[in-house]
Amino acid sequence: GQNIDQPTEMTATEGAIVQINCTYQTSGFNGLFWYQQHAGEAPTFLSYNVLDGLEEKGRFSSFLSRSKGYSYLLLKELQMKDSASYLCAVKDSNYQLIWGAGTKLIIKP
Amino acid sequence: ETGVTQTPRHLVMGMTNKKSLKCEQHLGHNAMYWYKQSAKKPLELMFVYSLEERVENNSVPSRFSPECPNSSHLFLHLHTLQPEDSALYLCASSQESPGSGNTIYFGEGSWLTVV
Repeated sequence: GQNIDQPTEMTATEGAIVQINCTYQTSGFNGLFWYQQHAGEAPTFLSYNVLDGLEEKGRFSSFLSRSKGYSYLLLKELQMKDSASYLCAVKDSNYQLIWGAGTKLIIKP
Repeated sequence: ETGVTQTPRHLVMGMTNKKSLKCEQHLGHNAMYWYKQSAKKPLELMFVYSLEERVENNSVPSRFSPECPNSSHLFLHLHTLQPEDSALYLCASSQESPGSGNTIYFGEGSWLTVV
């Protein structure tokens, strides 16, 4: 079967750095997405990786290793507003999105 | 403003009621989706419409009935629901082309409580 694994919950301190991991086992690969979802709001697009390596976008970076079936989302200079759930999703060989259950990130002062 | 708007944002309905969720996208996309989001579970794809034609129906119970009258509007008709159907229902859209990895954009969701 197809599977996306990510930690259920993480806690970090304001101003620090946190890395949220995502491992996947899918039938084929056509890209990996990260979304941010604040409580009670829509998931919003953060990043898309289809080639190996690091994509940087401001305080957020996303890394992909296709050979390892692994990605991470790196958040720097954490702010209280970064408290949210972070969803990892992979497009399989049929271009269907397979979703992880999300990682709830709690930022403490 | 996400470009995808959903109404109502909150809905409480009895098990014998009939109600509908509405979604409208202002992004000019050609595909629209209904997802169900339950606590601590992955997003569950319910229906996909591409160019107003349904292309996916992931074994969703018949008490959920989608309708896509045009590429900008999507409805989810609800009848005789069960308490376990209580969840956040998310509408989304994307611009799909063959072999693409295009991003999908979500609406803010409709919180459904079945009593």
